[in-house]
Amino acid sequence: KAGVTQTPRYLIKTRGQQVTLSCSPISGHRSVSWYQQTPGQGLQFLFEYFSETQRNKGNFPGRFSGRQFSNSRSEMNVSTLELGDSALYLCASSPTVTGGYEQYFGPGTRLTVT
Amino acid sequence: GENVEQHPSTLSVQEGDSAVIKCTYSDSASNYFPWYKQELGKGPQLIIDIRSNVGEKKDQRIAVTLNKTAKHFSLHITETQPEDSAVYFCAAIYNYGQNFVFGPGTRLSVLP
Repeated sequence: KAGVTQTPRYLIKTRGQQVTLSCSPISGHRSVSWYQQTPGQGLQFLFEYFSETQRNKGNFPGRFSGRQFSNSRSEMNVSTLELGDSALYLCASSPTVTGGYEQYFGPGTRLTVT
Repeated sequence: GENVEQHPSTLSVQEGDSAVIKCTYSDSASNYFPWYKQELGKGPQLIIDIRSNVGEKKDQRIAVTLNKTAKHFSLHITETQPEDSAVYFCAAIYNYGQNFVFGPGTRLSVLP
């Protein structure tokens, strides 16, 4: 079974621009979560989508948004980029079995804001 | 608030020795505790997990123990090998299973 894929792997943007990152979950997984990873703050939860609905959201400003499509693929968008948004953005997918909390991560998208 | 502490932040061991990483959590309602290994340039990889109805779980050289009363859980790696060198993260599920909170990570170095 193919793992979680994320595109692009690397991205360089300028302050004020916006960016869209894409995530394809493991086949059959309907839950997709997004995380931001930085050296200073570690792994921080952004949001989770299940069946095209946002189920939960972390403590990030409204510039961070996401969506999920009917095939479970997900995108996250960051508008009006700031230097502090430079980070590794990770996507994780989960199976749908009852009580199944396991999350499987993709390789991440490294975003650099200049 | 929701918090997961993890110690130590760095750990160096000789090849063949054991390594232990400890985490504590704050929400007594947490019931799922995974451990992830992250190698340079890669995403975190789930290596073992434990649920609250179990006190210990083992998978070859890796084991996890859970003490719900004290709200802490630990990762034990025996017979360490150089390829075990990585950053290890613990996590706990909060908010009735809707989001993970991660510990700050432990950088493990296994010296040959």
